[in-house]
Amino acid sequence: GNSVTQMEGPVTLSEEAFLTINCTYTATGYPSLFWYVQYPGEGLQLLLKATKADDKGSNKGFEATYRKETTSFHLEKGSVQVSDSAVYFCALSVAGGSEKLVFGKGTKLTVNP
Amino acid sequence: KAGVTQTPRYLIKTRGQQVTLSCSPISGHRSVSWYQQTPGQGLQFLFEYFSETQRNKGNFPGRFSGRQFSNSRSEMNVSTLELGDSALYLCASSRTGGHEQFFGPGTRLTVL
Repeated sequence: GNSVTQMEGPVTLSEEAFLTINCTYTATGYPSLFWYVQYPGEGLQLLLKATKADDKGSNKGFEATYRKETTSFHLEKGSVQVSDSAVYFCALSVAGGSEKLVFGKGTKLTVNP
Repeated sequence: KAGVTQTPRYLIKTRGQQVTLSCSPISGHRSVSWYQQTPGQGLQFLFEYFSETQRNKGNFPGRFSGRQFSNSRSEMNVSTLELGDSALYLCASSRTGGHEQFFGPGTRLTVL
């Protein structure tokens, strides 16, 4: 089956620190990969995506590269801000007529000033 | 363009009751998916509707059901509520085949 494993949190960083949240996946077929972010009391927002191997998704200073050889899609940001404090979810979707997303457990990030 | 809207935002019910949640997708989006979010199980897929047809279903009991109307709006229903049904229920919409889903703010259901 399809599954996503991401590093468990919580992760606490100081402002301007480097962020990495690891994500690996198992999929039957060729998945599209996503990072979603959830701020307190809100729904999920798409942060970035990649649809094929070696694609790099990027948005708001966050980046993730689709690595088929290691089945990974790690999220990185060079310098985090307090406003980046949120829960981050890695997810995949496999083509085949359905929009079903399979999510990791989520990683809570807290950035201190 | 308006985002995905969900009503109500908060609900409190007692065990044994039933509940109906509503979701209005982004204009032009024909696919609506529902997810349940709990601290223990995380985000789990409930079902997806496309053009009024259920296209995929997650591993939930038959107490959970849904439907989609001709204007793409969707409802989900949970009958005979249990304490474990307390969760944030998220709706997401997308264009067909796009795989990019846009989420609503969710409905927080508390079962007492």
